[in-house]
Amino acid sequence: QQQVRQSPQSLTVWEGETAILNCSYEDSTFNYFPWYQQFPGEGPALLISISSVSDKKEDGRFTIFFNKREKKLSLHITDSQPGDSATYFCAAVTGANTGKLTFGHGTILRVHP
Amino acid sequence: EAAVTQSPRNKVTVTGGNVTLSCRQTNSHNYMYWYRQDTGHGLRLIHYSYGAGNLQIGDVPDGYKATRTTQEDFFLLLELASPSQTSLYFCASSGGAAETLYFGSGTRLTVL
Repeated sequence: QQQVRQSPQSLTVWEGETAILNCSYEDSTFNYFPWYQQFPGEGPALLISISSVSDKKEDGRFTIFFNKREKKLSLHITDSQPGDSATYFCAAVTGANTGKLTFGHGTILRVHP
Repeated sequence: EAAVTQSPRNKVTVTGGNVTLSCRQTNSHNYMYWYRQDTGHGLRLIHYSYGAGNLQIGDVPDGYKATRTTQEDFFLLLELASPSQTSLYFCASSGGAAETLYFGSGTRLTVL
């Protein structure tokens, strides 16, 4: 059973556009949601994160919107740049302090110049 | 910057072979993890550990063993490798349960 779902699988935008990546989850005990960015040939790296007590988190051009009632999140990348082309993973952690992070399948983003 | 080093970078073995993947972190993190990454499946947790001597089962543990010998070192063992274990393996570490994961550069394993 996939607990963290991401859509779309891949997304292509033009430079300067806003890319919107979606994530949903099943487990209501999840309370922390990091997004990781992965470039080809590298390991993922933390991009931005949000806890379930917030409904929005901004960091420069990257913003997470969180809807706890619907168990949905979205990552908005404004003014997309070719250097943003990467795979983006939504992940979730339960509040049970297990240390276990559950990842979605990822969204491949391509930004055309 | 957290440092996680994996070795080897690439490994080819045959079905039934014995493989050990190594991971070392130098940031005194308590948590260490082994993930596999496959197209269409994203990152799946194999095993993880809270500290030296501790081992926790992840979501896809079948066919894998792991051992945490020290706080720094975490090993993934495939004692009878199968083609289904051909994958890109990542090790990661973190300071706590909900803290940032720092990933290594990955080991690409091919089982013929």
